[in-house]
Amino acid sequence: TQLLEQSPQFLSIQEGENLTVYCNSSSVFSSLQWYRQEPGEGPVLLVTVVTGGEVKKLKRLTFQFGDARKDSSLHITAAQPGDTGLYLCAGEGTGTASKLTFGTGTRLQVTL
Amino acid sequence: NAGVTQTPKFRVLKTGQSMTLLCAQDMNHEYMYWYRQDPGMGLRLIHYSVGEGTTAKGEVPDGYNVSRLKKQNFLLGLESAAPSQTSVYFCASSKGQGIQPQHFGDGTRLSIL
Repeated sequence: TQLLEQSPQFLSIQEGENLTVYCNSSSVFSSLQWYRQEPGEGPVLLVTVVTGGEVKKLKRLTFQFGDARKDSSLHITAAQPGDTGLYLCAGEGTGTASKLTFGTGTRLQVTL
Repeated sequence: NAGVTQTPKFRVLKTGQSMTLLCAQDMNHEYMYWYRQDPGMGLRLIHYSVGEGTTAKGEVPDGYNVSRLKKQNFLLGLESAAPSQTSVYFCASSKGQGIQPQHFGDGTRLSIL
């Protein structure tokens, strides 16, 4: 069974601060996705990274896929209250009918 | 656009009762998935389907059954509910093979007393 551990589990910061969320595994993934989930709703895809070492930017969010495709990070610059939510990484194994293994989640709260 | 619709949104059952959760998608997606979400454990795959008439077990299939008689619908059944099945259940769909995003419903919150 492939496992994805996220850290930290909880993060409470003030508006304007920077933060990084980590997603680690001992398994290799063919791709990795990041989702954000708000209370009472399902997860919504933020980004997909495919190539080892790949970096993608989405406004103030920067996503990186590890060189060995076993880990990933999400960095948020100048966090805003609208960034509050549960962040989930999800790895797709090779030959697995597009099944995803989800990480344990990082709950982020950004206050004014 | 409705996307993925789950019914019901909330349900309370007694131990031993049975019920069916319905998932419907209007995006003509081939693949559909059922997950459960528990605190600190992310989302765990229960069962999935890669097309009409096909189903397969995921990571935590025990105590659940599924059916995909129509492409747009994916049903999750609990034969004899147990307190350990108290959770939030999410359905998702995706276009098919390859690197595709999964589109999620808003979940069903299920409590088993």
